[in-house]
Amino acid sequence: EDQVTQSPEALRLQEGESSSLNCSYTVSGLRGLFWYRQDPGKGPEFLFTLYSAGEEKEKERLKATLTKKESFLHITAPKPEDSATYLCAVQVTSGTYKYIFGTGTRLKVLA
Amino acid sequence: KAGVTQTPRYLIKTRGQQVTLSCSPISGHRSVSWYQQTPGQGLQFLFEYFSETQRNKGNFPGRFSGRQFSNSRSEMNVSTLELGDSALYLCASSLWSGFQETQYFGPGTRLLVL
Repeated sequence: EDQVTQSPEALRLQEGESSSLNCSYTVSGLRGLFWYRQDPGKGPEFLFTLYSAGEEKEKERLKATLTKKESFLHITAPKPEDSATYLCAVQVTSGTYKYIFGTGTRLKVLA
Repeated sequence: KAGVTQTPRYLIKTRGQQVTLSCSPISGHRSVSWYQQTPGQGLQFLFEYFSETQRNKGNFPGRFSGRQFSNSRSEMNVSTLELGDSALYLCASSLWSGFQETQYFGPGTRLLVL
């Protein structure tokens, strides 16, 4: 069964304390892996798409990487405004292109 | 460029009623996907429409249906509402650009079933 697992469920960091969020997946065929940021009461905001193992993408303090089994979202020197829920999703190719989301990591960055 | 819009933003219904939610995608986007988000289950894929045709479907009962119009606007309908249908319903539109799929989400419609 296709599955996406994110860890940790919640993370509290001090401002400037770098860390990584994990997204592990077990799917029959990976079309792409997506990272989103979601603020309370809002829809997810697109961050990155990764398609092949070894691929990396960066945006400001965020860097996403992909291996054959998992993806990491590295947050360097986070600021309080980085506090949000970070969602990982995979697009699978089993028959039709379906999207499977993880349950997210709630990140809180303290000033 | 205007983002994805969803109406209404909030809705309260009672069990057994039906509800229709609307989504207007970003101009030029032809793919619209619908998701249900709950605290316990997270974001779950409902269905995707592309050029007025349902292209993908998640594992939801037939009470959940949708359609897409020629201008790419989409509607989602839930019939015979149940308490468990209370959730945030999100719509996302996509721009297929080569190998990169970029999904842009709307703010969602929060549905409460009493």
